[in-house]
Amino acid sequence: DVKVTQSSRYLVKRTGEKVFLECVQDMDHENMFWYRQDPGLGLRLIYFSYDVKMKEKGDIPEGYSVSREKKERFSLILESASTNQTSMYLCASSLNTGYGYGYTFGSGTRLTVV
Amino acid sequence: GESVGLHLPTLSVQEGDNSIINCAYSNSASDYFIWYKQESGKGPQFIIDIRSNMDKRQGQRVTVLLNKTVKHLSLQIAATQPGDSAVYFCAENPGGGNKLTFGTGTQLKVEL
Repeated sequence: DVKVTQSSRYLVKRTGEKVFLECVQDMDHENMFWYRQDPGLGLRLIYFSYDVKMKEKGDIPEGYSVSREKKERFSLILESASTNQTSMYLCASSLNTGYGYGYTFGSGTRLTVV
Repeated sequence: GESVGLHLPTLSVQEGDNSIINCAYSNSASDYFIWYKQESGKGPQFIIDIRSNMDKRQGQRVTVLLNKTVKHLSLQIAATQPGDSAVYFCAENPGGGNKLTFGTGTQLKVEL
């Protein structure tokens, strides 16, 4: 089974801190994604990457950056955490097949910014 | 922009009954659809998918129906069990590429 592992299940950070959320997948998937999930808003795409060192903005990239130095690892960075970034963050990966293909998700990181 | 939506935010069913979860989509270019299940505290899990050249696909206890005429997707769960209690999301791939658009989810509650 493909596994997508997020390094932390729960995080509590202070406003203004720089926060790193790590995601690792073990099935050589080309595509990796970061979403945030908020009640009533569903999953919203923050950033995605189709290849190493490649990144593209999603629908809500403001306040975030990403890094993909290795194929298996995709990091989400909150440059200066704010309370409105309190959320569930989900990482996902998929094959790059040229047509629609399902994602495999990690278990999520619930981030609280105080 | 176009988005994926759901008719009902919460669905309650009796154990053993069949469940039907609905989803409306608005992007006529979407060619691939997926249903995900998300249990409390966990990430979404793939349940079943369907491509736009099909109108029905069956899995184990689950069936997905696609009606392209009215842009409607449904997930049917047979003999619903307590373990089926979760939030169910539909997702669409709006034509090419690998990016999915997700609905807001329906909470399925199974009553004993």
